[in-house]
Amino acid sequence: AQRVTQPEKLLSVFKGAPVELKCNYSYSGSPELFWYVQYSRQRLQLLLRHISRESIKGFTADLNKGETSFHLKKPFAQEEDSAMYYCALNNFNKFYFGSGTKLNVKP
Amino acid sequence: DAGITQSPRHKVTETGTPVTLRCHQTENHRYMYWYRQDPGHGLRLIHYSYGVKDTDKGEVSDGYSVSRSKTEDFLLTLESATSSQTSVYFCAIRAGTGINTGELFFGEGSRLTVL
Repeated sequence: AQRVTQPEKLLSVFKGAPVELKCNYSYSGSPELFWYVQYSRQRLQLLLRHISRESIKGFTADLNKGETSFHLKKPFAQEEDSAMYYCALNNFNKFYFGSGTKLNVKP
Repeated sequence: DAGITQSPRHKVTETGTPVTLRCHQTENHRYMYWYRQDPGHGLRLIHYSYGVKDTDKGEVSDGYSVSRSKTEDFLLTLESATSSQTSVYFCAIRAGTGINTGELFFGEGSRLTVL
């Protein structure tokens, strides 16, 4: 069965520090993975997807099929990055989300 | 916001009463979804629809039913609400084409409290 696991409920870092939000998945085929973000009082929105291999707001995520991971990274965290982050997997148009990680960037 | 609106945005109801949440879209997207968001559980898929009158169950479908009689509306019904269904409910639509592409756009959420 497909599953997305985010082991950290809360991650607190200081401004300027590197940040890594972990995501592991279980999936029998070739996964399509996403990171979604929910800022305070805003709608959940797409941050990035693995097929694009892009960097959004300084965040990157690399799909590691050997480790079945899709960790989200940013070299220098900013206060405005504080939000709830969800890793998601698309299984033939059924989108499954992890339990989320709250990122708190302290000044 | 991809033209998605949810109603009502807030509702307080009593155990055993029926509740219907509405998701309305203005952009004619085929796929629509209902999720619930709970602390520690993240977003869990309740039901989804891949066309008019075409729906399928998600991870946590027990106690919920859905209907889609028009492309633009996807209704979520709690036949007899229970306290365990207190949650924030999100509707989403999938944009784009192809089997495994597309971004989800979410509504603003409907906060339901069952007393």
